[in-house]
Amino acid sequence: GAVVSQHPSWVICKSGTSVKIECRSLDFQATTMFWYRQFPKQSLMLMATSNEGSKATYEQGVEKDKFLINHASLTLSTLTVTSAHPEDSSFYICSASVAGGTYEQYFGPGTRLTVT
Amino acid sequence: AQTVTQSQPEMSVQEAETVTLSCTYDTSESDYYLFWYKQPPSRQMILVIRQEAYKQQNATENRFSVNFQKAAKSFSLKISDSQLGDAAMYFCAYRPKAAGNKLTFGGGTRVLVKP
Repeated sequence: GAVVSQHPSWVICKSGTSVKIECRSLDFQATTMFWYRQFPKQSLMLMATSNEGSKATYEQGVEKDKFLINHASLTLSTLTVTSAHPEDSSFYICSASVAGGTYEQYFGPGTRLTVT
Repeated sequence: AQTVTQSQPEMSVQEAETVTLSCTYDTSESDYYLFWYKQPPSRQMILVIRQEAYKQQNATENRFSVNFQKAAKSFSLKISDSQLGDAAMYFCAYRPKAAGNKLTFGGGTRVLVKP
C-alpha cells in the first residue's frame, strides 16, 4: 500500500515552453502533497507544500509564478513549470501524506526534466 | 530553523561488514521524528527506519539500527552485514510532530559496498 506515482518519469522540453508533472496517490487519499527538487549529487530541497483545495505554500526563494502547483483532489497534485529555461532542468520528486497518525510521507519515483 | 547535518559525504564498506553513518540535527522542539531514507540509483526514496524522539529505545529494522542520542542531537545509522544492494545515497531527515509536517533533509552520504 501507500503507492505514489509520477508522470512523466522523464520529459524533455524546449526553452520557453511549459511542462506539467503529475503526482498521484494510487491507494490512499493524500491531504498534503509536497514537491521537491533535487540537483545531481545533492539533497532534496522542498519547493512547496500543497493541501487539497487550497493554495500551495512555497518555500522561500521559490518562484510561485514559475512553479504552479495545483492540488485539485485528494489523489492528484500537479506541478507546472512555466516558461522553462535550461536552469530549470532537474529531478523533481513529489511526496504525499495522510492527516493523522505519523503523517508519513510516501515518495513518488521522480521526474527528470531536461530543458533544451 | 531546523538543520540536519551529515558530515560524511561518502563511506565505503566491505560486503558483510558493518558501516555507521552519522547525522546530527538542531532543533528547539521536544517531540519530533527522525528518519533515514535510502535513495538507490533508481532515485526512488525508500524509508529505511523511523525514530520517535520520545521513545528512548533505539529503532531497528532487520540489518539496520540507529543510535539515537537525544541530548546530543545525534542520530546515527548502522548497517550490519552489508550487502551489494545497500549501495545508495542515504539521507537523514527530521520532522517535528507539530503541524506543518515538513521534512528537513541532511546533505546525504553515499555508501559504496565492495564485494
